Amino acid sequence: DQQVKQNSPSLSVQEGRISILNCDYTNSMFDYFLWYKKYPAEGPTFLISISSIKDKNEDGRFTVFLNKSAKHLSLHIVPSQPGDSAVYFCAASEGKTSYDKVIFGPGTSLSVIP
Amino acid sequence: DARVTQTPRDKVTEMGQEVTMRCQPILGHNTVFWYRQTMMQGLELLAYFRNRAPLDDSGMPKDRFSAEMPDATLATLKIQPSEPRDSAVYFCASGLAGARSYNEQFFGPGTRLTVL
Repeated sequence: DQQVKQNSPSLSVQEGRISILNCDYTNSMFDYFLWYKKYPAEGPTFLISISSIKDKNEDGRFTVFLNKSAKHLSLHIVPSQPGDSAVYFCAASEGKTSYDKVIFGPGTSLSVIP
Repeated sequence: DARVTQTPRDKVTEMGQEVTMRCQPILGHNTVFWYRQTMMQGLELLAYFRNRAPLDDSGMPKDRFSAEMPDATLATLKIQPSEPRDSAVYFCASGLAGARSYNEQFFGPGTRLTVL
């Protein structure tokens, strides 16, 4: 049973508009959440993260929101650019057990249309 | 330019053959991870090491998969015998273990395995 879910396998957005990628988790022990970005034929790269003590973290065009009560997080990209077209993985870890062990979701493929 | 390297990049083999994938972590990193990417499951954690000691291999099929770190600069993932369902992209990642905080994992480019 997947502990980290990304229910939208793909998303298409017009350049300049907002992209919203969603992620749900089932394990209430998760206390650190991350987003990784992956281009074809490359390994994933770290994008942004958030601790469970916060509900928002912003880095340039990227903002992650966390709703602990709903066990839901989202990644907002504003404005979206064609170079943002990639697969985005949501991930989570239980810091109290091990910050190293990270559980990834299945990914959402984002296409930003020029 | 420090990066994780993986060899081979592509491997095509026949069912029943042994497959060995290699990973060179970033110098100085003390944790190494093996992941498998499939369409259905996304990125699955197979095993990880800290200071060359295996910490968790619960995601790995024990009967045919094995992971080792012969030294600090080399991690290997072996499948024997390989089966068509093992076809996937296998990623290695390395990082610095954090006792009190998360530290970023740096991924290699992956090995695309096809078992016929």
